[in-house]
Amino acid sequence: DVKVTQSSRYLVKRTGEKVFLECVQDMDHENMFWYRQDPGLGLRLIYFSYDVKMKEKGDIPEGYSVSREKKERFSLILESASTNQTSMYLCASSFRSEAFFGQGTRLTVV
Amino acid sequence: AQSVTQPDIHITVSEGASLELRCNYSYGATPYLFWYVQSPGQGLQLLLKYFSGDTLVQGIKGFEAEFKRSQSSFNLRKPSVHWSDAAEYFCAVGPSYDKVIFGPGTSLSVIP
Repeated sequence: DVKVTQSSRYLVKRTGEKVFLECVQDMDHENMFWYRQDPGLGLRLIYFSYDVKMKEKGDIPEGYSVSREKKERFSLILESASTNQTSMYLCASSFRSEAFFGQGTRLTVV
Repeated sequence: AQSVTQPDIHITVSEGASLELRCNYSYGATPYLFWYVQSPGQGLQLLLKYFSGDTLVQGIKGFEAEFKRSQSSFNLRKPSVHWSDAAEYFCAVGPSYDKVIFGPGTSLSVIP
């Protein structure tokens, strides 16, 4: 079974902190994605990557950056966390159209 | 611009009743279409997908969906709902394999 693992289920951070969300997949997928999920808005794409060291902006990249140094790991970085970044963050990897999601990280910024 | 709408924010059905969740999309050509389910506290799981061919698609857990080009719809159906089907359901559409846009979701409650 494909496994996508997000390092934390719940995080509480203070405004202005630098936050790292880590995601690891074990199926050698080339494509990886970061979404945020908010009630009534569905999933919105933040960043995605089709290869190591490659990244592309999604629909809402402002306030975020990403890093993909190894194929299996895709990190989302909040350079200076703000309260409007309180959300559920979902990582996914995909192969031949099927996306596999991690369990999500619920981030609260206080 | 492509978009996905799910007109029903929340639906409640009785266990054993039939279910239909609506999805409409806006896209210039024939898109790739997906339905995902998210159980409480879980990530999303793919239920089914449509790329081409037969417009009635079978998925896991007894779900099916029908692509209707004339109505720009891809509605999800199940003939008899089980209590374990209570979850959030997302329709998604994409111009290519992997870059998809998700709808806002429909929350399903099941009454015993």
